[in-house]
Amino acid sequence: DTAVSQTPKYLVTQMGNDKSIKCEQNLGHDTMYWYKQDSKKFLKIMFSYNNKELIINETVPNRFSPKSPDKAHLNLHINSLELGDSAVYFCASSQGAGNMNTEAFFGQGTRLTVV
Amino acid sequence: KQEVTQIPAALSVPEGENLVLNCSFTDSAIYNLQWFRQDPGKGLTSLLLIQSSQREQTSGRLNASLDKSSGRSTLYIAASQPGDSATYLCAVRPETGANNLFFGTGTRLTVIP
Repeated sequence: DTAVSQTPKYLVTQMGNDKSIKCEQNLGHDTMYWYKQDSKKFLKIMFSYNNKELIINETVPNRFSPKSPDKAHLNLHINSLELGDSAVYFCASSQGAGNMNTEAFFGQGTRLTVV
Repeated sequence: KQEVTQIPAALSVPEGENLVLNCSFTDSAIYNLQWFRQDPGKGLTSLLLIQSSQREQTSGRLNASLDKSSGRSTLYIAASQPGDSATYLCAVRPETGANNLFFGTGTRLTVIP
């Protein structure tokens, strides 16, 4: 029973294409996140949603657009892919701030390679 | 802005040794701190969560401590095993802007059989 699941696990695509990564959590959490892990394995937040509303939008090119149809899903759409977008993208979820337990759970990651 | 540092960046120990991984953060106004492990090519697995009011948490052979005022946390692994080989990451959740986790740079642990 996967708590946070992302699809696809691997994505290889050409420059200029548009692609989406899907994320679903079955933990009943109200906050979801997208993180990017660069080639040096450093994890940095991209977006945070709480109850389908955007809370955090770090300095990310506007080619990246998150969409949360409901609080169990947070998808990431990327337009006009560039070589520098190659990275591993992680989805995560937790209870929102104000809850006692905000333990975060992560998906298995999507390795995006732009060629 | 919160910065999280982990020392050492890499560590190799023989099987059976006890070891300590360190995590330091610059802003002590944190809500909690979480330790994860990441296996190569895999996602992050949550190990321990310490609330800001707590001093330590234990799970099996793992013990995490938190000294919030000095901006430090340690992860103690007892009787290390080859299966403990992974990258260990700490992350802090700030009091303000709590819908975020600031990650450390990670410690890559290798336990030699």
